[in-house]
Amino acid sequence: NAGVTQTPKFQVLKTGQSMTLQCAQDMNHNSMYWYRQDPGMGLRLIYYSASEGTTDKGEVPNGYNVSRLNKREFSLRLESAAPSQTSVYFCASSHRDRVGQETQYFGPGTRLLVL
Amino acid sequence: AQSVAQPEDQVNVAEGNPLTVKCTYSVSGNPYLFWYVQYPNRGLQFLLKYITGDNLVKGSYGFEAEFNKSQTSFHLKKPSALVSDSALYFCAVSPPQWGGYNKLIFGAGTRLAVHP
Repeated sequence: NAGVTQTPKFQVLKTGQSMTLQCAQDMNHNSMYWYRQDPGMGLRLIYYSASEGTTDKGEVPNGYNVSRLNKREFSLRLESAAPSQTSVYFCASSHRDRVGQETQYFGPGTRLLVL
Repeated sequence: AQSVAQPEDQVNVAEGNPLTVKCTYSVSGNPYLFWYVQYPNRGLQFLLKYITGDNLVKGSYGFEAEFNKSQTSFHLKKPSALVSDSALYFCAVSPPQWGGYNKLIFGAGTRLAVHP
């Protein structure tokens, strides 16, 4: 059971380039999330997907798009990277239990540097 | 605005001493409360959560957290710190009005340094 996996681990982009961050989970979770982590700011939600086929904006969605490809995979795309998108990106997944409670489980992160 | 505050950027404690990492929140209603830990170059790991019931919640690695509704606090504690506890700790809150989905508001994090 690998949990939540993310690729790549590290990426350097030039301003204006595009790329897709990949995330997959093998825990059969319904909900998936993308966060960015910046120094002194904790984690901020970019997009989330409550279930396969649905996506919604989080706190900081500008400059990003997402695709919930299937129940396992949730990708994050930067169409035209900017230096302000230099950050560490975390994917997470969660499942609602019988009493309606959820706990999020996180991947190892992708460190992105935009020059 | 809904927010989570971790007032200390860093907490230093000697190995074997008790530790406390503070968290207060500003959220209406009865939120769900979480603590996560992040080791260097790793993702966040779930430590514990408070949903309802006993105000003292026990979690992984000997950690516990005390919920105080009147002070809107959820401080993380451990009776005897280990050097291996050194990491970045995040408090998070899930407001109940977000339709039950687990959208989390994170604090900025507190770095715990345990010295031998």
